[in-house]
Amino acid sequence: SQKIEQNSEALNIQEGKTATLTCNYTNYSPAYLQWYRQDPGRGPVFLLLIRENEKEKRKERLKVTFDTTLKQSLFHITASQPADSATYLCALDGGSQGNLIFGKGTKLSVKP
Amino acid sequence: NAGVTQTPKFQVLKTGQSMTLQCAQDMNHEYMSWYRQDPGMGLRLIHYSVGAGITDQGEVPNGYNVSRSTTEDFPLRLLSAAPSQTSVYFCASTFRETQYFGPGTRLLVL
Repeated sequence: SQKIEQNSEALNIQEGKTATLTCNYTNYSPAYLQWYRQDPGRGPVFLLLIRENEKEKRKERLKVTFDTTLKQSLFHITASQPADSATYLCALDGGSQGNLIFGKGTKLSVKP
Repeated sequence: NAGVTQTPKFQVLKTGQSMTLQCAQDMNHEYMSWYRQDPGMGLRLIHYSVGAGITDQGEVPNGYNVSRSTTEDFPLRLLSAAPSQTSVYFCASTFRETQYFGPGTRLLVL
């Protein structure tokens, strides 16, 4: 069955630095991969989607890469701010429209 | 638009009790789904629906029922609550592969 792993449960960085989160998957070739942000006590919020034929996608300070050979996506937040502190979830296309498989998330803490 | 709404926000049940978690969306999305989120387990799919009258099981469907009589509503029923169903439940609707989540229902089963 498909397996998705986010390498770090938690990541602590200093304000202004670039945060890099990793998502790896096995036994699958997803058509797309998504990243969501979740704040405590709230539902996940969609950030970015990248398709299998795209290497990189950017949105403001966010950048996502997708390497289908390595079966890995990297999620970068440049010039990080304390407000970026949250849990970030990686999600793969689950094979049918709207069906997603989520990773367990990485909790990012940005210290001032 | 209110987006995806869920009620109640918090519920305490005794083992064996039944209840319905409500979910509604006003975005006219065809696809809706229910997840549970537990510490260390991530989000796991319980049931989903691709449109009114059509539902299917996800990864962890046991102990839960769903129905979809309208596009807007997708209630989740716990028939006989068990402590293992203590969790945070999220409803989501999907449009063009993007999922829109509700605020969640925190359920405690004693």
